Parts: sequence; structure tokens; C-alpha cells
Amino acid sequence: GAVVSQHPSRVICKSGTSVKIECRSLDFQATTMFWYRQFPKQSLMLMATSNEGSKATYEQGVEKDKFLINHASLTLSTLTVTSAHPEDSSFYICSARDLQFTPEAFFGQGTRLTVV
Amino acid sequence: DAKTTQPPSMDCAEGRAANLPCNHSTISGNEYVYWYRQIHSQGPQYIIHGLKNNETNEMASLIITEDRKSSTLILPHATLRDTAVYYCIVQEGGTASKLTFGTGTRLQVTL
Repeated sequence: GAVVSQHPSRVICKSGTSVKIECRSLDFQATTMFWYRQFPKQSLMLMATSNEGSKATYEQGVEKDKFLINHASLTLSTLTVTSAHPEDSSFYICSARDLQFTPEAFFGQGTRLTVV
Repeated sequence: DAKTTQPPSMDCAEGRAANLPCNHSTISGNEYVYWYRQIHSQGPQYIIHGLKNNETNEMASLIITEDRKSSTLILPHATLRDTAVYYCIVQEGGTASKLTFGTGTRLQVTL
């Protein structure tokens, strides 16, 4: 099946620094990718929809200037957490669908961000 | 607002069938029922989906009631590796459709 790869799988950064997370579709093209955040013992919360070649669409309450999303190609979307703070520590997950429309979404393995 | 309702947790003995219910009483005619699962500290994994007919694949079966207001995911022979949180999601078709996750059911498979 199709594969979505996230990098890094875990990262620790200092408060005030920025962290970039990459999401790649390895064997298919994705015009749309989705970014989720998951806190411990909670469900996935959609943060934004990443659209290739255009601006991302953010969910209500998600700061677009803090969580920068770039979807420069059909196989790569990046999420940059700017000026990270301890409360940004979370599990970040991306997903994508195949342009050929297999109905299911494919998810990356997630990135565990810890801000110290 | 959540479109689906699932029990928070369930237990199942290894080798037995696990039947996970989901209520989606407000589902509209063009919405599909999708099931995903998330094993601890991993990204979700697709299991199965359906519109109105029952579906079966190598992982599971999906039974959708005739009025489409509820469904049941069946894992025919649960193993310890099936321990996970199972999410039932209703969604319109189309590549741009976003998935909205509810709280899911935490399935614990035991010896």
C-alpha cells in the first residue's frame, strides 16, 4: 500500500526555537495533506489542510503564524513550529490521499515533539 | 461536533471475535463510514470503509444497518496485536475530504 513518511520521528528542542517536520508521500502524489496534533490520552485533532501550491487552510483556534505549513510539491509538506514552547509538546501526525483516489487516507508514523 | 458515538473501551479475549459498535444517526446519504485504528504511539491505520453494503477485507468486516444509523466493525479472531484505539468516522467521498476523529474505542485484547 501507499506509504507516508514523516521525519523526524522524535525531536527535542529548546523553548523559543523552531522545529520543522517533514511529511512525504513516497509512492504517490498528494495535492492535499493534513496535519494533526495529538496530546496524551486524547484523540487526533486536525490542525490544518495543506494544499500543494497554495496556502494552507487552518482549523479554528490554530495559529497560522505559529504553525507554518508549506506544500511545495506533490510529495512533500512541511510543518514548522515557530518559537516553540513547552505547551507545544505533542505528537504531530500527517496524512495524505492518493490522487488516483484510493478511498483511504495514509498516515505518517508521527513526530513526537518535546520542548524543554 | 462529533458525528459518531463509540464506547470508550472494550475487552476481548484473544482468538475471539471483537465487535466494535458505532452510532452515526445523523449520517447523510453521501457519507461513508470509515474505520481506522491507532496502535500506541503510531499513526492511524486504515481498516475498512463502506457506504451501505456490508464489506469484508483481510483485516475485518463492516456491518452497516439498513437505515445506516449505526455500524459494527468485526475483527473475527482478535490477537494481542489488535490492541489499539479504533476510530469510526463518517465522511463524504473525495480526495480533499478531511477526517475528523472522535474519541474512539480502546480495545484491549487479553490472553
